[in-house]
Amino acid sequence: NAGVTQTPKFQVLKTGQSMTLQCAQDMNHEYMSWYRQDPGMGLRLIHYSVGAGITDQGEVPNGYNVSRSTTEDFPLRLLSAAPSQTSVYFCASSYDDSTYGYTFGSGTRLTVV
Amino acid sequence: GENVEQHPSTLSVQEGDSAVIKCTYSDSASNYFPWYKQELGKRPQLIIDIRSNVGEKKDQRIAVTLNKTAKHFSLHITETQPEDSAVYFCAANSNYQLIWGAGTKLIIKP
Repeated sequence: NAGVTQTPKFQVLKTGQSMTLQCAQDMNHEYMSWYRQDPGMGLRLIHYSVGAGITDQGEVPNGYNVSRSTTEDFPLRLLSAAPSQTSVYFCASSYDDSTYGYTFGSGTRLTVV
Repeated sequence: GENVEQHPSTLSVQEGDSAVIKCTYSDSASNYFPWYKQELGKRPQLIIDIRSNVGEKKDQRIAVTLNKTAKHFSLHITETQPEDSAVYFCAANSNYQLIWGAGTKLIIKP
């Protein structure tokens, strides 16, 4: 039981490049979400999904796309990287959206130059 | 919408003393209140949670209390140890989302 697995752990992008952050969970959780955490700051919700085939926007969705083709996987795509997207990205999953604790992945530290 | 306020933003306590972090929420329909601990450079981890049908929950040195009337809940850590140094986040559910507090940096002084 690996929990929530995120890849890569570190990434450096040039402005304008695109990339996909991977997130996979093996707990059969219906709810998955992506957060970004800027240095010394709290968690801001980017996108979330309440089940396969269903996604929705969070607080800061601009510049990011998501898809949920399976229960296990919830990739986050950066369309055209900007320096403002330099952050640590966490994927989290749970049995549902708001009445059970979240399990977080170990994070992806992204730097856009 | 829901607003979760967390105080203090930084808390410094002597090792062995107790620490208390408070959060207030605005949505009277909120019924789930988790607390997360985030060590430096690590992921947030759930340490304790409480549902609105109970007023207090304990797990060894940590406890959470909930006052639904006043709409606030608190994290209590007794006999603090160096490994308690971290940022602690509270959250409350509202409209099928978790709304997060801004975090409290807990510093344990030797």
